[in-house]
Amino acid sequence: SQQGEEDPQALSIQEGENATMNCSYKTSINNLQWYRQNSGRGLVHLILIRSNEREKHSGRLRVTLDTSKKSSSLLITASRAADTASYFCATVIQGAQKLVFGQGTRLTINP
Amino acid sequence: DGGITQSPKYLFRKEGQNVTLSCEQNLNHDAMYWYRQDPGQGLRLIYYSQIVNDFQKGDIAEGYSVSREKKESFPLTVTSAQKNPTAFYLCASSPRRGDGYEQYFGPGTRLTVT
Repeated sequence: SQQGEEDPQALSIQEGENATMNCSYKTSINNLQWYRQNSGRGLVHLILIRSNEREKHSGRLRVTLDTSKKSSSLLITASRAADTASYFCATVIQGAQKLVFGQGTRLTINP
Repeated sequence: DGGITQSPKYLFRKEGQNVTLSCEQNLNHDAMYWYRQDPGQGLRLIYYSQIVNDFQKGDIAEGYSVSREKKESFPLTVTSAQKNPTAFYLCASSPRRGDGYEQYFGPGTRLTVT
């Protein structure tokens, strides 16, 4: 089964609003990463947060990590039409040398 | 330009034929990965390689084969044994610095088998 599960599966908001996506995982991790995928394209790395970090910012992105709850959230502030994409969380499990991806959240920004 | 290239973008094959998907990177990355993505789904790991001449099975390796003869190249063969090969295939590479394993993805190959 997938290590990471995103919630919600789909999210539709108006341009300018904030978008929040959540990711839960099952086992201890080294780090958690968020990726974006535009329709029919490859994935693009957005941000990495290590297991000893609680919050990280990158431009309009804010990621939090709660290792006690085994969960992370991605906040996109002041959304734009160009943010329309699928967003995936991926975890590096302790002792493993690979990423395990969740099912993704499909985000639609309405103009 | 540095990056990962996958060719072709679209590939059509008849059932029963083997097909090889190309993946090349000029990022000098040690590790390379192959994923399969089905519509509306996440990525599932097929094979990965941490170093030249070595590779490991991922979660769904049955019906697939790979080789890693050069650092820059990691071709994937979809064999006739793969029961449902139609999918979007993504190749990625990683520098393996520290514990990051941040991955860089190619544009993907969409394979249709009829």
